[in-house]
Amino acid sequence: SQQGEEDPQALSIQEGENATMNCSYKTSINNLQWYRQNSGRGLVHLILIRSNEREKHSGRLRVTLDTSKKSSSLLITASRAADTASYFCATAFHNDYKLSFGAGTTVTVRA
Amino acid sequence: GAVVSQHPSRVICKSGTSVKIECRSLDFQATTMFWYRQFPKKSLMLMATSNEGSKATYEQGVEKDKFLINHASLTLSTLTVTSAHPEDSSFYICSARDATGLGYEQYFGPGTRLTVT
Repeated sequence: SQQGEEDPQALSIQEGENATMNCSYKTSINNLQWYRQNSGRGLVHLILIRSNEREKHSGRLRVTLDTSKKSSSLLITASRAADTASYFCATAFHNDYKLSFGAGTTVTVRA
Repeated sequence: GAVVSQHPSRVICKSGTSVKIECRSLDFQATTMFWYRQFPKKSLMLMATSNEGSKATYEQGVEKDKFLINHASLTLSTLTVTSAHPEDSSFYICSARDATGLGYEQYFGPGTRLTVT
């Protein structure tokens, strides 16, 4: 079953602006991951943040994790048209490699 | 590295026939592969966990006799949709975990679009 809820469901921004999306989950996790999916394609792993980490960066991506609120955010800075995609958070439980995906946020970056 | 392929990318079949989808890890060994189903504009729903050399573990509500999974080698898992019906039309995606890694990351295939007429 899916335990992640993401908001917003959709986001439209101008090229160069930042995009922020949020993910909430219900139960204790080992780690939380963010994936990107271009239309009709598979998923690409973006970043993984462990339950004992609060913030992580990778290029133009910044992820935060607040385990007390059971929430995470993904920030894409200086967005580009190529960032147009759906973004999913996924949680992994302790001693279990299965992932539970959120509903996803569709991001459209306008040129 | 960490490339996963799926074949076919698209398939159209008639009701009542069976369709096999292959998932291969091209440059790493995967003791565990996962099969997901995705409806339009929806999230991924885990169908089953495929373990090399043993039976797959199905999620609640997924019919194991309808969705046959075989993980015969460390680089290949197959999903066979048996006696397909139009409601089985969907986007099927597989993923794999690197057997040598300690991480939780999964590497996804490009997906297979199944249309049952």
